[in-house]
Amino acid sequence: GESVGLHLPTLSVQEGDNSIINCAYSNSASDYFIWYKQESGKGPQFIIDIRSNMDKRQGQRVTVLLNKTVKHLSLQIAATQPGDSAVYFCAEVSNKLTFGTGTQLKVEL
Amino acid sequence: KAGVTQTPRYLIKTRGQQVTLSCSPISGHRSVSWYQQTPGQGLQFLFEYFSETQRNKGNFPGRFSGRQFSNSRSEMNVSTLELGDSALYLCASRGTGGTLTDTQYFGPGTRLTVL
Repeated sequence: GESVGLHLPTLSVQEGDNSIINCAYSNSASDYFIWYKQESGKGPQFIIDIRSNMDKRQGQRVTVLLNKTVKHLSLQIAATQPGDSAVYFCAEVSNKLTFGTGTQLKVEL
Repeated sequence: KAGVTQTPRYLIKTRGQQVTLSCSPISGHRSVSWYQQTPGQGLQFLFEYFSETQRNKGNFPGRFSGRQFSNSRSEMNVSTLELGDSALYLCASRGTGGTLTDTQYFGPGTRLTVL
């Protein structure tokens, strides 16, 4: 069946460092993946997406890497800032969105 | 352009009651999806409506139902509430094409507490 899981529930980083959040998925038929950020009291916010025919995509301070061989997805945040503190979800898209359990990113000053 | 709005933001009900939550999508969006978010289960898909028709459904019991109106506004209803229904209910709307690769925008959610 479909499942999307995250390796680490909590990640603490120093301000200015780079953050890497990982995600594993099981549905090899998924052809589209999304990263969301959810701040306290708010709904998830789209960060970046990637299609299965790509292995890397860059946005502003964020990069998503996709390794289809091992069914692994990662989100890299450059120069992490206090405003990046949130829960990050990966989601795979088949006929619906299936979300991972989420990783809490804490930025230490 | 206004974002996705959900009402009410907070709701307290007792077991056995029913509840109706409302969602107004971004103007022009025809797809509305509903999700349940709990600490234990995370974000789980409930159902999706497109042009007033349910086109996808998650693995929730029949107590959970929804509908969409001609103006794309959507409601979800939960009957015979159980303690385990306490959750944040999120609504999301999708771009005008309504395809799965269109970016989905989430509302702030309705926090439902069942006592």
